Amino acid sequence: DAMVIQNPRYQVTQFGKPVTLSCSQTLNHNVMYWYQQKSSQAPKLLFHYYDKDFNNEADTPDNFQSRRPNTSFCFLDIRSPGLGDAAMYLCATSRLGEQYFGPGTRLTVT
Amino acid sequence: KNQVEQSPQSLIILEGKNCTLQCNYTVSPFSNLRWYKQDTGRGPVSLTIMTFSENTKSNGRYTATLDADTKQSSLHITASQLSDSASYICVVSARHSGAGSYQLTFGKGTKLSVIP
Repeated sequence: DAMVIQNPRYQVTQFGKPVTLSCSQTLNHNVMYWYQQKSSQAPKLLFHYYDKDFNNEADTPDNFQSRRPNTSFCFLDIRSPGLGDAAMYLCATSRLGEQYFGPGTRLTVT
Repeated sequence: KNQVEQSPQSLIILEGKNCTLQCNYTVSPFSNLRWYKQDTGRGPVSLTIMTFSENTKSNGRYTATLDADTKQSSLHITASQLSDSASYICVVSARHSGAGSYQLTFGKGTKLSVIP
């Protein structure tokens, strides 16, 4: 059974065209994370929600925004994607320190 | 600064052979250490999770060890299979003080290739 679901799995967008990636969970976890992972690199935390409290990493560009309308859903908005934003975007949830990752969305910027 | 170092960076082994991957960390305050397997183009999947008091934990052909004194962990893969080809990532968790969230520090991973 899918526990952390990300849609779409592959997303192609044009340079500068806003794009939204979505994540949903069936685990009822209170914490949700968004990570950016570039090829052969470790995932880099962009931000996380602890319930409704938004926590942005200090080095996350303003170009990246997030919304969490309810416990189950979390969105990553990239306002003006650049070529350097092409990456795998991973959503994760956690409760009591155990993290579960989604399958990721591969973003291509043309 | 919290850091996780993994070695080797990449490894090629023959099918059926054993291998051991290493993880050294400087993370405080330590909460737990996890090994993930990440197939190309997929999200990480948890293999093992160990807390401070646990020295070893097995999951099928995967056995992880933890030495909290030296801050080292290893992942041993027995009788490797072609499907073991993936990146193996060591992740150490530190608990944020006064909150229920955790800060994760990721290693860069070891890319394992199992060849026939």
